[in-house]
Amino acid sequence: EVQLVQSGAEVKKPGESLKISCKGSGYTFSSFWIGWVRQMPGKGLEWMGIIYPYDSDTRYSPSLQGQVTISVDKSISTAYLQWTSLKASDTAMYFCARRGADGSGIDYWGQGTLVTVSS
Amino acid sequence: QTVVTQEPSLTVSPGGTVTLTCASSTGVVTSGYYPNWFQQKPGQAPRALIYGTSNRHSWTPARFSGSLLGGKAALTLSGVQPEDEADYYCLLYYGGTRVFGGGTKLTVL
Repeated sequence: EVQLVQSGAEVKKPGESLKISCKGSGYTFSSFWIGWVRQMPGKGLEWMGIIYPYDSDTRYSPSLQGQVTISVDKSISTAYLQWTSLKASDTAMYFCARRGADGSGIDYWGQGTLVTVSS
Repeated sequence: QTVVTQEPSLTVSPGGTVTLTCASSTGVVTSGYYPNWFQQKPGQAPRALIYGTSNRHSWTPARFSGSLLGGKAALTLSGVQPEDEADYYCLLYYGGTRVFGGGTKLTVL
């Protein structure tokens, strides 16, 4: 069974750093792209970027490039989303999602990680 | 900046049929945009419904169908059930990136 399990909720202060994770299981992790999606409180889904675990090829949304870093450790089947200096506007639910085999779109989703940034 | 537009809200009666659309600010949506559709209920992660314009995932009920309609991607629900009340999002592929639509809140009433 394909599963994406994300790390738990975080409460941080502005200016702090953070790294959240997404661990895949039930499939060959390195062979499928993993994307990240933001959902701000009461708002819609926003595509952030995607990474290919096999070679760490990463594509960022132009609107978010430079604000976050997407990385992966394929040895432990885990993808990451990282901030160096959080802002209050980073408060959101963050989902990871798998891109299926060629042409099969985004199929499986993680349960989400709630990040709250408040002084 | 590319904008993907969906109807903000739609209402349908149980057993009825409704079509949600997904338009791109760049022009006509074609199969090359690989339209995906997702359903999200309150407090839950999104669930994939349709990929590559019209392909259902193994778990997607047959009452959900995807197509291209009038230059847009479309999701049609036939024989709507009360449990179909949810937010629906489309996702379009633009070469190196993807963009979600703003979402459609579907009310079953």
